[in-house]
Amino acid sequence: SYVLTQSPSASVAPGQTATITCGGSNIGSQSVHWYQQKSGQAPVLVVYDDIARPSGIPERFSGSNSGNTATLTITRVEAEDEADYFCQVRDSTGDVVFGGGTKLAVL
Amino acid sequence: EVQLVESGGGLTQPGRSLTLSCSASGFTFGDYAMSWFRRAPGKGLEWIGFIRSKVYGGTTQYAASVKGRLTVSRDDSKSIAYLMINSLKTADTAVYFCARGQPGFASSWYQYWGQGTVVTVSS
Repeated sequence: SYVLTQSPSASVAPGQTATITCGGSNIGSQSVHWYQQKSGQAPVLVVYDDIARPSGIPERFSGSNSGNTATLTITRVEAEDEADYFCQVRDSTGDVVFGGGTKLAVL
Repeated sequence: EVQLVESGGGLTQPGRSLTLSCSASGFTFGDYAMSWFRRAPGKGLEWIGFIRSKVYGGTTQYAASVKGRLTVSRDDSKSIAYLMINSLKTADTAVYFCARGQPGFASSWYQYWGQGTVVTVSS
């Protein structure tokens, strides 16, 4: 099955920019979606179809996807952005596949 | 407002079966596939299965990791989706979430999630 690779952790200072990557073979040909999950809470969709943002998600969250890497970028990071972030695709068999997740620490 | 509420979790023993429910409101339940996910302690998000709408035959699809032990079903008259897990293992200990995607044959992304229900499998 299709494999998505994320770095386990990342850290960023408040006000700075966080970049979270998701690697996969020719992932640029797929639609990638990103979720934020805080401790004890349900996942929240923050970016879908590579670059789209659901209503209510701040403009600070943006996505891109090309080649073998999809990227979630969070600008002007706030303490409340501390969470686990997961990328997700639907593979050729229709299965839903997640990356292993990146724990973002706001220092 | 779309709402999804899971129930049925709790403490159970290895080898037993458990059925979780996902009660939906705020949308036409029968028009949507419903999916189940879980997050085990110290692990990432995992998709485990979904059921399509009756328009698409109400067919199911399961993750390879749980195939054969899971059954997802739905009752459109009650707007409830079900997840039955057989032969429970300690590795099934997790928070289980239901989620709704887009209408159609298969959802790509999931905007609406329940709050989750905790399943603990322990002897």
